[in-house]
Amino acid sequence: GAVVSQHPSRVICKSGTSVKIECRSLDFQATTMFWYRQFPKQSLMLMATSNEGSKATYEQGVEKDKFLINHASLTLSTLTVTSAHPEDSSFYICSARKDSLDTEAFFGQGTRLTVV
Amino acid sequence: GESVGLHLPTLSVQEGDNSIINCAYSNSASDYFIWYKQESGKGPQFIIDIRSNMDKRQGQRVTVLLNKTVKHLSLQIAATQPGDSAVYFCAENVNQGGKLIFGQGTELSVKP
Repeated sequence: GAVVSQHPSRVICKSGTSVKIECRSLDFQATTMFWYRQFPKQSLMLMATSNEGSKATYEQGVEKDKFLINHASLTLSTLTVTSAHPEDSSFYICSARKDSLDTEAFFGQGTRLTVV
Repeated sequence: GESVGLHLPTLSVQEGDNSIINCAYSNSASDYFIWYKQESGKGPQFIIDIRSNMDKRQGQRVTVLLNKTVKHLSLQIAATQPGDSAVYFCAENVNQGGKLIFGQGTELSVKP
């Protein structure tokens, strides 16, 4: 099966700093990647769709200047949480789909962000 | 819109029993559905999928049923095992850029 890798798996940062999370498709090319956020005991909330070579599409209510997404290659998308605050502490998960859009999405292992 | 903000319902079953997990989806235009299993601290893991032109699909120990009339999905797990304990999510493919929208989720607890 296809593998999606996220890095780091856990990160602790101070309020006001920025944190970058990487999402890589290891054995396939992903023109589209997706970023989700998940609070404890809740569902995954789609934040944005990351398109290779173009601007990301953000879901309603998600601040694009707060959550910077870059998809510079077919195997790498990054999410940068800028000027992090404690309320940004969450579990961030990326996923990638292969060329065909109506196939399963492969998920990374998630990144636990704690802002102190 | 996204299904968030509610705490997960729970389902507790005895080992060896069958489990049925239900999900209501929101978009009548969704054409593809997936069930995922998520263990604590990990990303979702694919279990089984179904397209909108089907009403039933079977895998190993799992069956997914789709009722488009009432926009309802169910996941049936046969002979539930302790290793099945996890949170289960349904996801619908919204045909707008291929994004997946997740349902509320159900926490399955299997008693030995």
